[in-house]
Formats: sequence, C-alpha cells, structure tokens
Amino acid sequence: GAVVSQHPSWVICKSGTSVKIECRSLDFQATTMFWYRQFPKQSLMLMATSNEGSKATYEQGVEKDKFLINHASLTLSTLTVTSAHPEDSSFYICSARDASGGLGEQFFGPGTRLTVL
Amino acid sequence: AQKVTQAQTEISVVEKEDVTLDCVYETRDTTYYLFWYKQPPSGELVFLIRRNSFDEQNEISGRYSWNFQKSTSSFNFTITASQVVDSAVYFCALRPSGGSYIPTFGRGTSLIVHP
Repeated sequence: GAVVSQHPSWVICKSGTSVKIECRSLDFQATTMFWYRQFPKQSLMLMATSNEGSKATYEQGVEKDKFLINHASLTLSTLTVTSAHPEDSSFYICSARDASGGLGEQFFGPGTRLTVL
Repeated sequence: AQKVTQAQTEISVVEKEDVTLDCVYETRDTTYYLFWYKQPPSGELVFLIRRNSFDEQNEISGRYSWNFQKSTSSFNFTITASQVVDSAVYFCALRPSGGSYIPTFGRGTSLIVHP
C-alpha cells in the first residue's frame, strides 16, 4: 500500500531557530503534497498545497515566509518553520496524492510533533 | 463551500457498549467522497473507510459499520461492542471527486472507552 513517511517524528527546539520537516512518499510518486497543522484537540487545518517543481499555494492566514515549503522531487516535500516561536508548537501532518491513482487519493504521514521552547 | 459537522465533541462509554459517531455534511457537488479516519494518541491518521456519493449501501467491517444517508446528508459510524483500543479521535471528512482533491475535515469526536 501507499506509504508516506515524515521525519522527524518529533522535535524540540529553542525559540528563534528554524526547523525542517521532511515528507516522503515511499512507494509512489506524488505530484501534489499537502501540509496540515493540528493544534491539541482540534481538527486538521490545511496550511498549503505543494506541487512538484512549482511554488506552494498557501491557505489564507498562513505566512509563506514563515512556513517555507519546497517540493523538489516527486517523492519529497519539506516544510521549514523559520524563526520558530512557542505559538508554532503543533502537530504537523503531511499527505501525498498518488499521481497515478484515478481517485487522486491522499495518503497521510504519521505526523511531526514540534515543540518550541 | 463544503462543511462537515461532528456535533459530538467527546463520547465516553464502557467497554462492550455500542457507540455511534455522527457526521453531517454540506456540499454543492453532485459527486463526492466521504471518509472516516481514526487518530489514536500516537497521532497518526488511520484510514477507515471511503464512500462514494453514488453508493448508499451501508457497510460493515468487523465491529465497524457505516450508515450513509444521502437524503439527510449523514454518514454515521457505529462501533459495536466497543473496546479500550477503540479510544481515539475520529474524524469524518468530505472531498469532491475532482478538482483539488482537498478534503474538508470535521472537528473530530473523541471516543473514550473505559474498561
């Protein structure tokens, strides 16, 4: 089955530092990847849609200069949280859309828990 | 615009009880997909089911069953004989059959099953 991995699974960093999260589709090619953020006891909130080889499309209210997204290949997208602050602490989940699948199904990664001190 | 409503924020049951999680949706699309996901404390979303809007047949998978009623725009999820391992947050989601393929998630229902 389609597998999406994320690395790291959790990270703790100091305020002001930048953190990079990787999202990989392991056994399929993903022309489109999505990044979500989930605060405790809340639903998933779509942050941005990332298309391979082009700029990401950010949802309203998401700062593109703070959350840098790079989708350099068909199997890898990265989210960099720049100058992280405690309010950026959250659970970040990526999903990848199988380019070959007719249903355009999304497969979710296991998530990355970011804690900013 | 699409909307998914999970009115139950938290449900608490005792093991072996049956429990139904409600999901009501709104969409102007004529074709769409409905999903249920389970999110245990570890955080990983576990896919449970996908239902095409054309298929209103109810589905049963072990202790899980789903009731899709297009007339009331509902897609409810029932767990029979609940177990402690069923404790998790359950999300209902809706996405169009084409276009951006981006799902709209409900707020989730936290299910706590006590031994």
